[in-house]
Amino acid sequence: DAKTTQPNSMESNEEEPVHLPCNHSTISGTDYIHWYRQLPSQGPEYVIHGLTSNVNNRMASLAIAEDRKSSTLILHRATLRDAAVYYCILNGGSQGNLIFGKGTKLSVKP
Amino acid sequence: GAGVSQSPSNKVTEKGKDVELRCDPISGHTALYWYRQSLGQGLEFLIYFQGNSAPDKSGLPSDRFSAERTGGSVSTLTIQRTQQEDSAVYLCASSLAADFSYEQYFGPGTRLTVT
Repeated sequence: DAKTTQPNSMESNEEEPVHLPCNHSTISGTDYIHWYRQLPSQGPEYVIHGLTSNVNNRMASLAIAEDRKSSTLILHRATLRDAAVYYCILNGGSQGNLIFGKGTKLSVKP
Repeated sequence: GAGVSQSPSNKVTEKGKDVELRCDPISGHTALYWYRQSLGQGLEFLIYFQGNSAPDKSGLPSDRFSAERTGGSVSTLTIQRTQQEDSAVYLCASSLAADFSYEQYFGPGTRLTVT
């Protein structure tokens, strides 16, 4: 399974943009890049995913490097509700399951 | 629309008892996954269903764990003779298909405490 590397923690101020990095130098050509987040005491929540092109949805944007060895999740205006652990996942196991690492714990200051 | 639901939300049981945890996936989702998250630990994959069948049960932590899915919908995770190390949050997720081009939607989880 291709591995991802994320910072353990990051801090942001409310209403400012947040760029969460993820390195995945061993990514294969068919690996999708998924981002999920887990708010305190809740199940994981899908954020966004992409393959090669940058992606935008109502929650966030995903910027994928041209060589696909890294990606960045962009929250355009952080809110207190965005405080969570963010997981960058490359596909997963042979059964379609997601393989979660330790993720990045995002703190948002008012 | 309705998301993934799980019941009960909390379950406290005595060591040695059997427990059943239920998952109702999103209607129309053919793939269903069970994960668990122990206190302070990451999310661990347990088992997956495509339709009613579970092609591979090797992710289950012991033979005390079993799971079934009926009618391509509701799934039940059963833990027999519970042990204290089984205490965790058990999460269910569903997806349109078992394909990484689709996202997984998670339920709120069942918090199991074995005393």
